[in-house]
Amino acid sequence: DTAVSQTPKYLVTQMGNDKSIKCEQNLGHDTMYWYKQDSKKFLKIMFSYNNKELIINETVPNRFSPKSPDKAHLNLHINSLELGDSAVYFCASRLTGGGNSPLHFGNGTRLTVT
Amino acid sequence: AQKVTQAQTEISVVEKEDVTLDCVYETRDTTYYLFWYKQPPSGELVFLIRRNSFDEQNEISGRYSWNFQKSTSSFNFTITASQVVDSAVYFCALSRMDSSYKLIFGSGTRLLVRP
Repeated sequence: DTAVSQTPKYLVTQMGNDKSIKCEQNLGHDTMYWYKQDSKKFLKIMFSYNNKELIINETVPNRFSPKSPDKAHLNLHINSLELGDSAVYFCASRLTGGGNSPLHFGNGTRLTVT
Repeated sequence: AQKVTQAQTEISVVEKEDVTLDCVYETRDTTYYLFWYKQPPSGELVFLIRRNSFDEQNEISGRYSWNFQKSTSSFNFTITASQVVDSAVYFCALSRMDSSYKLIFGSGTRLLVRP
């Protein structure tokens, strides 16, 4: 199936731990994003990479570090997790250039920090 | 600065009723995109529509229709003859028409369609 895939779907961890969320897309897109959805359902962009180059870096604590090994993958590593990091994290992708495709989202990773 | 306002936090209707979800946006850009996304209870985000700022034609897709009015900075979404499966949170979003494609989302409207 062609899609944006995120793993894991659920992540429960304790404060202070380091964790990673992986994202892969097989849609042939060249730009990938991370969005955070908080407990009130508010969605906010965190990062965007185009062909492995960082193009959007919102005001996000530097405990969050995105890594894009290639244009089909954008992983999110979080150091020293805090209670406030609990949220649903969505990966998304699109193809820039002619056609301007809309954003395609993954199914989200629900992170719970205890 | 860009902003999207969805003033309706929650709407409850009975099946087969028509329902309109409001979206008002603010931007200083002359060209931009507007979007609607659906988030059903299962949690995924489903793309519904993208409209660019120089195309004010209304659009209909089955039971869904969208009314874009640049004069009032609104991009409203109507579901005709609602069904229980339409129950979801609906998000309106705005982005610049540039390579970043950074979507600014509204706070969402939770729609509950009762049988």
